[in-house]
Amino acid sequence: QSALTQPRSVSGSPGQSVTISCTGTSSDVGGYNYVSWYQQHPGKAPKLMIYDVSKRPSGVPDRFSGSKSGNTASLTISGLQAEDEADYYCCSYAGSYTLVVFGGGTKLTVL
Amino acid sequence: QVTLKESGPVLVKPTETLTLTCTVSGFSLSNARMGVSWIRQPPGKALEWLAHIFSNDEKSYSTSLKSRLTISKDTSKSQVVLTMTNMDPVDTATYYCARIRLGYYDFGYWGQGTLVTVSS
Repeated sequence: QSALTQPRSVSGSPGQSVTISCTGTSSDVGGYNYVSWYQQHPGKAPKLMIYDVSKRPSGVPDRFSGSKSGNTASLTISGLQAEDEADYYCCSYAGSYTLVVFGGGTKLTVL
Repeated sequence: QVTLKESGPVLVKPTETLTLTCTVSGFSLSNARMGVSWIRQPPGKALEWLAHIFSNDEKSYSTSLKSRLTISKDTSKSQVVLTMTNMDPVDTATYYCARIRLGYYDFGYWGQGTLVTVSS
């Protein structure tokens, strides 16, 4: 079982918005502002989409946004596009011993 | 241009030891702000962080796999090596190496991954 809890799947129509949650504990998500999100297309390596809870790396569309409240982080994708269909993983710093933990992943389907 | 590339066997037998190498370019393993992690993904399953090494040789391991893992680096060769002992079919997975930034703890660059199958 993964350390961070994500919904197994979400879906939305083109142009709509979807939000993916990522629930941890005060020892990871709730304790640090080091939550990152990754997009993974089939057969490809993950791609960093969000870091430090809400920052976007260069080149990531501003349709992708992140936030956090307590022990739960969220990724929101607005203006859904067909190419957004992928698996999404959250990741959080969990202290110098464990370092990081990943979520179980969420499959986004664009209807 | 930052790149990472994993190399190692595609097939190992149960109980054998797996040795994987990550060769990096575009940054130095002596860079105090960077490190390298190993992450794996069984077919159809989630990502799992395994181990990490920083430039000062500080290491961290997954709690559940700590007894089986060893991570090391050769800065002169720009390589990070992961060994995993006593391999089992459940260890069948794509193994990735990725660069991590100190103070951010995000993985901005990933290798392409290498699929390792454990079978007799």
